Amino acid sequence: QSALTQPASVSGSPGQSITISCTGTSSDVGGYNSVSWYQQHPGKAPKLMIYDVSNRPSGVSNRFSGSKSGNTASLTISGLQAEDEADYYCSSSTRSSTVVFGGGTNLTVL
Amino acid sequence: QVQLQESGPGLVKPSQTLSLTCTVSGGSINNGGYYWNWIRQRPGKGLEWIGYIYYSGSTYYSPSLKSRVTISVDTSKNQFSLKLNSVTAADTAVYFCARAEAVTKFDYWGQGTLVTVSS
Repeated sequence: QSALTQPASVSGSPGQSITISCTGTSSDVGGYNSVSWYQQHPGKAPKLMIYDVSNRPSGVSNRFSGSKSGNTASLTISGLQAEDEADYYCSSSTRSSTVVFGGGTNLTVL
Repeated sequence: QVQLQESGPGLVKPSQTLSLTCTVSGGSINNGGYYWNWIRQRPGKGLEWIGYIYYSGSTYYSPSLKSRVTISVDTSKNQFSLKLNSVTAADTAVYFCARAEAVTKFDYWGQGTLVTVSS
């Protein structure tokens, strides 16, 4: 299985909105509503931000939202804040009952 | 509050077996419906899923690592473990254990432990 495709980096200014894409195939992203998104700050464990495409765990800001169209899932962060600067990873279940991650996207808040 | 903690050697020689244990506290590993995962992150690289063991004992592994990986559980100690055989320098990474409420909903993570493969 190949890693899901994410842009290597995105950037935005405080207050702006950004969107990170996550492209897979019909055997993973496109075939299941089991896409999750994780935020990882340097030296820390990843933190769950979105699960099942668009659901937010308790305690996660509503500035984070997720969606999916076909084989591509997206994470949108609105009202960018300095603390949002981190790496972001998507993940999906697969037809083989395994898990695949995206390559990760580094978000810079300008 | 569920907590996970990885433990094991930080240095492993090439061709040997990497062995790590994840101790779960704040909840029973026997509780139905959870997937107990190992995930790694090579230095400066992204997350790589290694595999999971379901509470029923079923295991699933990454196709790229399947021939070298075994994940097992010790319910008496509330622990699950990873064994990775025939390691090389490419297996040097921070290894995380994580609980998943659904296959990809990793809701609790350990802090991660760095394992270096070197002679």
